[in-house]
Amino acid sequence: KAGVTQTPRYLIKTRGQQVTLSCSPISGHRSVSWYQQTPGQGLQFLFEYFSETQRNKGNFPGRFSGRQFSNSRSEMNVSTLELGDSALYLCASSAGLAANEQFFGPGTRLTVL
Amino acid sequence: GDSVTQMEGPVTLSEEAFLTINCTYTATGYPSLFWYVQYPGEGLQLLLKATKADDKGSNKGFEATYRKETTSFHLEKGSVQVSDSAVYFCALTDNAGGTSYGKLTFGQGTILTVHP
Repeated sequence: KAGVTQTPRYLIKTRGQQVTLSCSPISGHRSVSWYQQTPGQGLQFLFEYFSETQRNKGNFPGRFSGRQFSNSRSEMNVSTLELGDSALYLCASSAGLAANEQFFGPGTRLTVL
Repeated sequence: GDSVTQMEGPVTLSEEAFLTINCTYTATGYPSLFWYVQYPGEGLQLLLKATKADDKGSNKGFEATYRKETTSFHLEKGSVQVSDSAVYFCALTDNAGGTSYGKLTFGQGTILTVHP
């Protein structure tokens, strides 16, 4: 079974730009969660989508948004990029029950200059 | 809210040494507990999990027991190898649903380096 894939793997943007990251979950998984990983803050939960609906959201500003498509693929968007948005963005898929383990993709490394 | 505290790193060991990485948690409900490992340049891989008190998760020689009385989930391995060098994360998800859907709460991570 193919794992979680994320594209692109690396991105370089400048302040003020916007960016879209993509995540394809494991086949059959309907839940996709997104996380931001930085050296200072560690791993922080952004949001989770299940069957095209956002079920849960972390404490990030409205510049961070996401969506999920009918095939369970998900995208996250960051508008008006700031230097502090430089991070590794990880997505994870699961079957969708609260206790299910999550399977992570390799991440997208975003650098904001 | 939920939180996870891991022992401070980095941890440096010689090959075949015994490993313990401490993890304690705070949760309002009845969480499931996980250990994830991250190798350089990669995403997180699930190492083991436990879903209820006294469960023992195990994988690749690593073990952790869900201790509700001490709210702990310490990771152990009897004999580490150089290939175990990585960052280890303890995490929980609250099984209450609602605001816990799809959300893992992570500890800060512990860097493990194993020398030959």
